[in-house]
Amino acid sequence: GAVVSQHPSWVICKSGTSVKIECRSLDFQATTMFWYRQFPKQSLMLMATSNEGSKATYEQGVEKDKFLINHASLTLSTLTVTSAHPEDSSFYICSAPPGESNQPQHFGDGTRLSIL
Amino acid sequence: AQTVTQSQPEMSVQEAETVTLSCTYDTSENNYYLFWYKQPPSRQMILVIRQEAYKQQNATENRFSVNFQKAAKSFSLKISDSQLGDTAMYFCAFTQNRDDKIIFGKGTRLHILP
Repeated sequence: GAVVSQHPSWVICKSGTSVKIECRSLDFQATTMFWYRQFPKQSLMLMATSNEGSKATYEQGVEKDKFLINHASLTLSTLTVTSAHPEDSSFYICSAPPGESNQPQHFGDGTRLSIL
Repeated sequence: AQTVTQSQPEMSVQEAETVTLSCTYDTSENNYYLFWYKQPPSRQMILVIRQEAYKQQNATENRFSVNFQKAAKSFSLKISDSQLGDTAMYFCAFTQNRDDKIIFGKGTRLHILP
């Protein structure tokens, strides 16, 4: 079945570093992908909607200059956390609708980001 | 705006027992999709069961079934013959369209006790 691959699965870096997370649809084209953030013991909160070939749509309260989203192809969306700080430490997960009728969205396995 | 509410932060049941997780939601739309996701310690999101609002019949998947009450905007999950592997965080979720963003409840942490 359709699969979404997310990399890296875990990253630890120093404060001030920029970190890029990739979300790739392996056997289907995804014109839209969603990026969620999950803090410890909390739920998934939508950060932004990534649209192929156009600007991402950010949820209220999410800084678009800090969380840069690029969806340059039909199979790849990237989330870059710029100048990351400890408060950005979280679990980031992407999802993509497969485009086929009757198929649910597919989630990546997530990225655990730890900023020291 | 659509909202999803899970009122049970944590539950524990003995292995082989039946457990029901509650979920209510709010929407003004007539057609939508509801889901239950399981998130084990690996944090992978696993779709347990889904329900399309226009279908009156409650969805079932092996030991998992839902009680969908559209008028009451209620969507509970019943796990029968619970197993140790069912221990996880369970999220109730809503989406307006199949390709739209998913709105999650706060989750219920379920412990299956040996």
